[in-house]
Amino acid sequence: GENVEQHPSTLSVQEGDSAVIKCTYSDSASNYFPWYKQELGKRPQLIIDIRSNVGEKKDQRIAVTLNKTAKHFSLHITETQPEDSAVYFCAIEGGSEKLVFGKGTKLTVNP
Amino acid sequence: NAGVMQNPRHLVRRRGQEARLRCSPMKGHSHVYWYRQLPEEGLKFMVYLQKENIIDESGMPKERFSAEFPKEGPSILRIQQVVRGDSAAYFCASSPLPDRGETQYFGPGTRLLVL
Repeated sequence: GENVEQHPSTLSVQEGDSAVIKCTYSDSASNYFPWYKQELGKRPQLIIDIRSNVGEKKDQRIAVTLNKTAKHFSLHITETQPEDSAVYFCAIEGGSEKLVFGKGTKLTVNP
Repeated sequence: NAGVMQNPRHLVRRRGQEARLRCSPMKGHSHVYWYRQLPEEGLKFMVYLQKENIIDESGMPKERFSAEFPKEGPSILRIQQVVRGDSAAYFCASSPLPDRGETQYFGPGTRLLVL
């Protein structure tokens, strides 16, 4: 079945530094790759997504890159701020449009 | 435009009782997905429904769990004879169209605690 590996599980950076989170997946049929941010006790919120017809997408300080051949995609956050601290989940679209999530990365941005 | 609504937000049940979780999708959305999140873990797919139709229930436990999305009213996730291992956050998400690559929008979740 579909599987998503996410690394690292925890990441601590200084304010202003960049943060990179990587995911690899097994289902080569996946064509949709969203990233969600979840603050403690809150709902997952979509922050950026990419479809397989592009290799990179950027939205202000957030970017996602996709390598379909190697089956991995990454989230890049530049100029990190304390409010970026949260758990980030990557996902792929599995069969029947369901999302298959990675186990999450707890990002801490230290002021 | 109201987002995805879930209620109750918190639910406490004793072992053996029933839990009913409700989800109202965003206006104009006809597809509902239920996910379960155990403490300190990611979200696991449970079931995908359209109105009056279960499309994919491959993530649902075979016993005690059921889901429906009637023609009128919210989607319901029902857990019978709850056990402590059912304690988790249950999120529903909705999307508008039956196409691959449609964004799923999540509700605030129901946090179930089984005593």
